[in-house]
Amino acid sequence: SQQGEEDPQALSIQEGENATMNCSYKTSINNLQWYRQNSGRGLVHLILIRSNEREKHSGRLRVTLDTSKKSSSLLITASRAADTASYFCATDTTRGSNYKLTFGKGTLLTVNP
Amino acid sequence: EAGVAQSPRYKIIEKRQSVAFWCNPISGHATLYWYQQILGQGPKLLIQFQNNGVVDDSQLPKDRFSAERLKGVDSTLKIQPAKLEDSAVYLCASSLVISGVSPLHFGNGTRLTVT
Repeated sequence: SQQGEEDPQALSIQEGENATMNCSYKTSINNLQWYRQNSGRGLVHLILIRSNEREKHSGRLRVTLDTSKKSSSLLITASRAADTASYFCATDTTRGSNYKLTFGKGTLLTVNP
Repeated sequence: EAGVAQSPRYKIIEKRQSVAFWCNPISGHATLYWYQQILGQGPKLLIQFQNNGVVDDSQLPKDRFSAERLKGVDSTLKIQPAKLEDSAVYLCASSLVISGVSPLHFGNGTRLTVT
């Protein structure tokens, strides 16, 4: 079963608006990563937040992590049509030498010009 | 730096036929992954290599799927025989080290359609 679950499954907004996507997970994590996937392409790493961090910024991206609620959010500010893509959270639940990175089902973001 | 290269981009085969996918990771990346992504879902790990050794193949359907990474560089993933439910995008990814803080770099994938 999927470790991370994104919410909503799909999101449609106008250019210039902010987009917020959420990710919930079940077991304790070492870190959480967000990836973007444009249609017909591979995933691209956006940002990583460690379990002892609460917030991280990268350009127009802001990620928060609440380990008590086992949830994370990705905020894209001042969205652009080029931000149209699927966004996936991935949780690192590595234990010892058993590395494990599990992806959620993703949020499909559509930014209308 | 050059990205992860995969070929072919598309493949259509009939059920019970065999198919092979090829991946060339980023130079110097020790870890290589094969993921299966079914339409509308997130990627699911099939197999993970560290150099030319298998680290995790617990989700690889070994009765029909096989993978190898000769000389710790290129890798091939094979399906024999294919089933309808194997229709998916097969993504190859690589990372510098086997570590959760080393992000994955993905290729554009091979879209497989089994008819």
